[in-house]
Amino acid sequence: KQEVTQIPAALSVPEGENLVLNCSFTDSAIYNLQWFRQDPGKGLTSLLLIQSSQREQTSGRLNASLDKSSGRSTLYIAASQPGDSATYLCAVNTGNQFYFGTGTSLTVIP
Amino acid sequence: GAVVSQHPSRVICKSGTSVKIECRSLDFQATTMFWYRQFPKQSLMLMATSNEGSKATYEQGVEKDKFLINHASLTLSTLTVTSAHPEDSSFYICSATGQGDYEQYFGPGTRLTVT
Repeated sequence: KQEVTQIPAALSVPEGENLVLNCSFTDSAIYNLQWFRQDPGKGLTSLLLIQSSQREQTSGRLNASLDKSSGRSTLYIAASQPGDSATYLCAVNTGNQFYFGTGTSLTVIP
Repeated sequence: GAVVSQHPSRVICKSGTSVKIECRSLDFQATTMFWYRQFPKQSLMLMATSNEGSKATYEQGVEKDKFLINHASLTLSTLTVTSAHPEDSSFYICSATGQGDYEQYFGPGTRLTVT
């Protein structure tokens, strides 16, 4: 069974710093991987979707990479802002089943 | 982009009553819908997967007689929490995918509180 792990569980950084969130998965047979953010008490907002054939995707200050063979993905956030404070989740799609990571709670300090 | 809505966004009910949560895909046909629950400070847990016109497939440990899922059309799935108890209080989120589309579109979630 696919297991998805995110490190670190929590992260606190001063405003303006660049940061990296990590996601690892145990089974490399995936269709795609998605990164989401979740604000307290809210649903999920999709940030980036990487297909299994892709190495990275970029959207604004966000860049996500995928190394399927090693079972890793990273989400890079450039020039962090207080508004980036949220929980970030990665999810792996293995076909028609999605597996979520445990999440990284990010706090950006003004 | 594809939009998924949920109704209601918040519901408070008394113990022993049943609650229905609707999940709708507004601008695409959702061949598969997923229901998740999330306890405070925990990740999403998949409860069940439903394909239009078929019975839902429940994850291990999820009581199918308690969490009734119906996916009668390509735009609507419902989750009914029967005989709700305080331990059922949670955040319930649905998501949907279209045929041949492996991206997952999420609803805004429903906060259920059972008193």
